[in-house]
Amino acid sequence: DVKVTQSSRYLVKRTGEKVFLECVQDMDHENMFWYRQDPGLGLRLIYFSYDVKMKEKGDIPEGYSVSREKKERFSLILESASTNQTSMYLCASSLFLAGVPYEQYFGPGTRLTVT
Amino acid sequence: QQQVKQSPQSLIVQKGGISIINCAYENTAFDYFPWYQQFPGKGPALLIAIRPDVSEKKEGRFTISFNKSAKQFSLHIMDSQPGDSATYFCAATRNSGYSTLTFGKGTMLLVSP
Repeated sequence: DVKVTQSSRYLVKRTGEKVFLECVQDMDHENMFWYRQDPGLGLRLIYFSYDVKMKEKGDIPEGYSVSREKKERFSLILESASTNQTSMYLCASSLFLAGVPYEQYFGPGTRLTVT
Repeated sequence: QQQVKQSPQSLIVQKGGISIINCAYENTAFDYFPWYQQFPGKGPALLIAIRPDVSEKKEGRFTISFNKSAKQFSLHIMDSQPGDSATYFCAATRNSGYSTLTFGKGTMLLVSP
């Protein structure tokens, strides 16, 4: 079974802190994604990556950056956390084959609270 | 911005009833339409998906109906069970290149015993 793990289930940080959210997948997937989930807004794509050291902006990249130094690991970085970044963060991964949308496998999520 | 509009936002169905969730899309280039199911405390998981070359796909109690001309698709859950209580997301994407999923805002389904 594909497994996507996220470093923390719950995280509380203070405004202005630098926050790292880590995601690791164990199925050699090329694609990795970061979403945030908010009530009534659904899943919104923050950043995604098709390969090591590659990154693409999603729909809401402002205030976030990402890092992918190894194929299995994709990190989301909040350079200076703000209260409006309080949310559930979901990581996902999928295979890549040009022209074929593969199933995305999601981690359990990290609930981040910024105070 | 490409959108997928999902309704209703929440739904209460009695055990044994039919749950229906609707989605509409704007981008005619979309050609793959998955549904994801999310239980509390878990990440979403793929439930069922359809491509526009068919009008219906059935897997057990779950059926996707697809209307290409209306740009609409829906999820039907037959004989709904309390274990089906979850949040359901429809999504859409283009079956080409480096496309990503565009999700609807989700429907919280509660199946009462």
